[in-house]
Amino acid sequence: GNSVTQMEGPVTLSEEAFLTINCTYTATGYPSLFWYVQYPGEGLQLLLKATKADDKGSNKGFEATYRKETTSFHLEKGSVQVSDSAVYFCALYSGSARQLTFGSGTQLTVLP
Amino acid sequence: NAGVMQNPRHLVRRRGQEARLRCSPMKGHSHVYWYRQLPEEGLKFMVYLQKENIIDESGMPKERFSAEFPKEGPSILRIQQVVRGDSAAYFCASSPAEGGTGSPLHFGNGTRLTVT
Repeated sequence: GNSVTQMEGPVTLSEEAFLTINCTYTATGYPSLFWYVQYPGEGLQLLLKATKADDKGSNKGFEATYRKETTSFHLEKGSVQVSDSAVYFCALYSGSARQLTFGSGTQLTVLP
Repeated sequence: NAGVMQNPRHLVRRRGQEARLRCSPMKGHSHVYWYRQLPEEGLKFMVYLQKENIIDESGMPKERFSAEFPKEGPSILRIQQVVRGDSAAYFCASSPAEGGTGSPLHFGNGTRLTVT
């Protein structure tokens, strides 16, 4: 079956530090990959996506590249801000499963 | 354009009572998904519905849980005879077509169910 493994948190960084959150996946076929962000007390918001190998998704300074050879979709940001503090979820969609499969989430806290 | 609306935001039930969670998808969206988030865990798929049809309920517990998405009105997730282990955040998501490549899911803010 499909699965997503995320780097365990929590992650605490100082403002302007470099961020990497690792994500690897197992899936049948050719899944689409997503990063969602959840702010306290809210639902999930789509952050970025990639639909095929070597695609790079980007949004708000965040980037992730779909690496088929390593089955990875690591999230990166060059300089984090306090406002980036949230829980980040890696997810995949496979047509055979017809649903999004989520990782367990990574709590990020950015200190001023 | 209103987003996915879930109500209530918070729901407290005693053991044995029924919980009804409502979800109004975004305008124009006919596909609804329900997910459950347990404390300190990720989201687990429960059920995928289209108008008047359950497409995939492979993540739904076999007993006490049911879901519907009628032709008119919101989608309803019903939990009968709640137990403490049902305490969680329940999220609804919608998409204009089957979620995936071209139709990322749009999530509501969730209903936080507490069973006392």
